Amino acid sequence: GAVVSQHPSRVICKSGTSVKIECRSLDFQATTMFWYRQFPKQSLMLMATSNEGSKATYEQGVEKDKFLINHASLTLSTLTVTSAHPEDSSFYICSARGGSAVSGYTFGSGTRLTVV
Amino acid sequence: AQSVTQLGSHVSVSEGALVLLRCNYSSSVPPYLFWYVQYPNQGLQLLLKYTTGATLVKGINGFEAEFKKSETSFHLTKPSAHMSDAAEYFCAVSSSGYSSASKIIFGSGTRLSIRP
Repeated sequence: GAVVSQHPSRVICKSGTSVKIECRSLDFQATTMFWYRQFPKQSLMLMATSNEGSKATYEQGVEKDKFLINHASLTLSTLTVTSAHPEDSSFYICSARGGSAVSGYTFGSGTRLTVV
Repeated sequence: AQSVTQLGSHVSVSEGALVLLRCNYSSSVPPYLFWYVQYPNQGLQLLLKYTTGATLVKGINGFEAEFKKSETSFHLTKPSAHMSDAAEYFCAVSSSGYSSASKIIFGSGTRLSIRP
């Protein structure tokens, strides 16, 4: 079946630094990728949608200059949290969707970001 | 716009008992509906999905769900709970099927606990 690999699984960074999270579709071409944020014991909140080769579409309230999304190829999307602060600490999950109706949505295993 | 409401943030059942997790949706177009399971600090695993056709959908691990358009519901059931079913369950709706504009919106989640 479709597999999405997300790295790193955990990252600790200092306040003010930037962190990059990668999301790769391993066995299919992901025409669209999604980035979610999940706070403890809460649901997944969609941050942005990215289509290969075009700019990401951000949900209302998400700072696009803080959360940089790049979808340079059909198998890779990256989320960069710039100038991270403790309030950015969260669980980030990516999802990828192929072009066909059969592929559906496949989720990565998530990245636990802790900003100290 | 689409939305999902999961009734009950926490459900507790005895091992061997029926599991029923409730989900109601709102959608201006025919919805695609999903149930995902999430174990602690992990990504989401698809249990089952409804796109078109048969309204009773069978998924993995003995789960099934029935799409009821008249009730705008997509409740998840399992005849006999196992200890390993303890997890967080999310109902989700996708707009416009699998078109480039569609995206998944999640409910708030239901934590399922299993009593020995």
